[in-house]
Amino acid sequence: DIQMTQSPSTLSASVGDRVTITCRASQSISSWLAWYQQKPGKAPKLLIYKASSLESGVPSRFSGSGSGTEFTLTISSLQPDDFATYYCQQYNSYPRTFGQGTKVEVK
Amino acid sequence: EVQLLESGGGLVQPGGSLRLSCAASGFTFTSYSMCWVRQAPGKGLEWVSGISGNGGTIYYADSVKARFTISRDSSKNTLYLQMNSLRAEDTAVYYCAKGTTVTTGSAFDMWGQGTMVTVSS
Repeated sequence: DIQMTQSPSTLSASVGDRVTITCRASQSISSWLAWYQQKPGKAPKLLIYKASSLESGVPSRFSGSGSGTEFTLTISSLQPDDFATYYCQQYNSYPRTFGQGTKVEVK
Repeated sequence: EVQLLESGGGLVQPGGSLRLSCAASGFTFTSYSMCWVRQAPGKGLEWVSGISGNGGTIYYADSVKARFTISRDSSKNTLYLQMNSLRAEDTAVYYCAKGTTVTTGSAFDMWGQGTMVTVSS
C-alpha cells in the first residue's frame, strides 16, 4: 500500500498568513493526488485534484503543486473560513490512501 | 443540484450486519464511479471500497475484504454497502462519495453527509 505522510500535523496561523502543507507519498504517484478540506461534523470537500488543478468554486488562494512523491498545498492568504483539517489522498493505485490530516488552527 | 444522501447506519452488535444506502440525484448516476470512505471518531479518513459507473470494477480495502460488499442499482440511483461480520473497529461515520469519471481512477468531488455506524454490545 502507498503511505501518505502529511506535515505538520497541526499548524497554528493567523488570518492573512501564507500557509503550506506538505504531503509525501511512499512511492511515486505521478500527479494523482487530491486535497480535501474538512470542518468538524461535516463531509470533506474537494479543493485540488491531479496535484494542481483547482476544483470549480474553490477560491484561488488555494493552490497545489508537486509530482512523484512530494506535494504541497498552499493557502496564499489565510481567511477565517479556512481554519479546518486538510487531507491529501492518492488515487494512483489501490487501496486509495489518505494522509493523516493537518489541522490548521488559530494562532 | 448534485446530492448524496446516506442512510442505514445505527447500533449493531459485534458479528452483526448492516446495509448502508446512498441515494444519488442531480447527475447521471451510471456515468460516475462511486465509493465509500469512513472516519472513526476523532480519526482520519479511510477509503473502504470503490465501484465503477457500470458496476463492473470493484475494489476493497484489505480491512473489509470478504466482509463488506459494495453494489449499485442504476434503476434506483442508489449505492449500497452491505456490511457483515461487523467488528468494533468498524465503528465510524460512513460517507459515500462521487468520482469524477466513469472509471474508478479519480478524486471524489461530491460527498454525502455521512451515516454513523456503531458496533458495540
